[in-house]
Amino acid sequence: GDSVTQTEGLVTLTEGLPVMLNCTYQSTYSPFLFWYVQHLNEAPKLLLKSFTDNKRPEHQGFHATLHKSSSSFHLQKSSAQLSDSALYYCALTGNTGKLIFGLGTTLQVQP
Amino acid sequence: DMKVTQMPRYLIKRMGENVLLECGQDMSHETMYWYRQDPGLGLQLIYISYDVDSNSEGDIPKGYRVSRKKREHFSLILDSAKTNQTSVYFCASSANSDYTFGSGTRLLVI
Repeated sequence: GDSVTQTEGLVTLTEGLPVMLNCTYQSTYSPFLFWYVQHLNEAPKLLLKSFTDNKRPEHQGFHATLHKSSSSFHLQKSSAQLSDSALYYCALTGNTGKLIFGLGTTLQVQP
Repeated sequence: DMKVTQMPRYLIKRMGENVLLECGQDMSHETMYWYRQDPGLGLQLIYISYDVDSNSEGDIPKGYRVSRKKREHFSLILDSAKTNQTSVYFCASSANSDYTFGSGTRLLVI
């Protein structure tokens, strides 16, 4: 079945450094890929949604490129800010309409 | 403003009691979902509803049931709650691959 893998449970980095959170997926369908961000005690909110292969959605300085050849949708940002500290989920939706999440990566940005 | 509303926000129940979590949406979305969130386990799909009285099990349906009698309203029911059902429960609705989440219900079963 469909699945999403986020290999890092916790990423800690210093403000100003680049961010890269990994996401790979398995699907027999051509899924949409998503990144959601969740701040403490809040609901998950959509950060990015994939378009077609090699198109790059961007939002709030974050971007991600869907690479079907490697089944990846890594999240990147050139310079981390303290306010980026949050829990980030990669997710996909296939032909069943189910939104399937990875386990999440907590990003901690330190001064 | 498009919204998914969950009630209540916080709930404490004793083991063996019945629990009703309610979710409403004002977007006329056909598809609605219930997830639970636990540390280190991400968001796990409990049930999905494709429309009124058209419900399907998700990945962890055991111990839960759902009811959808109106398109805008989707309920999650725990018959005889267990302590391992302590969690944060999120409802969501979707259309055209756009998903909207509610603010969650924090359930503590003691």
